[in-house]
Amino acid sequence: SQQGEEDPQALSIQEGENATMNCSYKTSINNLQWYRQNSGRGLVHLILIRSNEREKHSGRLRVTLDTSKKSSSLLITASRAADTASYFCATAPRDDKIIFGKGTRLHILP
Amino acid sequence: DAGITQSPRHKVTETGTPVTLRCHQTENHRYMYWYRQDPGHGLRLIHYSYGVKDTDKGEVSDGYSVSRSKTEDFLLTLESATSSQTSVYFCAISDRQGDQPQHFGDGTRLSIL
Repeated sequence: SQQGEEDPQALSIQEGENATMNCSYKTSINNLQWYRQNSGRGLVHLILIRSNEREKHSGRLRVTLDTSKKSSSLLITASRAADTASYFCATAPRDDKIIFGKGTRLHILP
Repeated sequence: DAGITQSPRHKVTETGTPVTLRCHQTENHRYMYWYRQDPGHGLRLIHYSYGVKDTDKGEVSDGYSVSRSKTEDFLLTLESATSSQTSVYFCAISDRQGDQPQHFGDGTRLSIL
């Protein structure tokens, strides 16, 4: 059962531009997490935002959470070639296992 | 990087043969997970463990079994592999369920011919 759905499925932008990815989910959550996956590698955790938080920052990453709309966004500012990867949101329904979305493939063009 | 090692990293085998994938952690985390990743499906949970000898099914558990006899090792077994089980398999660990990040291994690419 898919809880989170990322949008868009794929995104290509020029290096230096900002990249925004969105995640929508269906049921109440305890927290929402974003992960990055480089080609041929495992997922790497980026940010966890709890249901009582609205915004969180980590370096060039900014995550927002709107529980009334059941949605989250991940903003990567001043993108770099090394940001080329797939990005996944993962939602944690209360007291349960996290569920991953299908991901957004981000391609940074030189 | 969290100490997670998956073995083998690549395997090609034939339909009907048994296959065992191993996940080894050095973090002493309580929870361990097995996922499969397929195009168009994202990451799907197969089985997970919440302690030694304590396991439970995930979303796509049919055709798979798991065992955890030690904190550091979590084995995934395909008793009789089928072509539909061709996939990339990831192991993950976490300290708590749901409200802590999961740390992933680099995956096992399994091809069943």
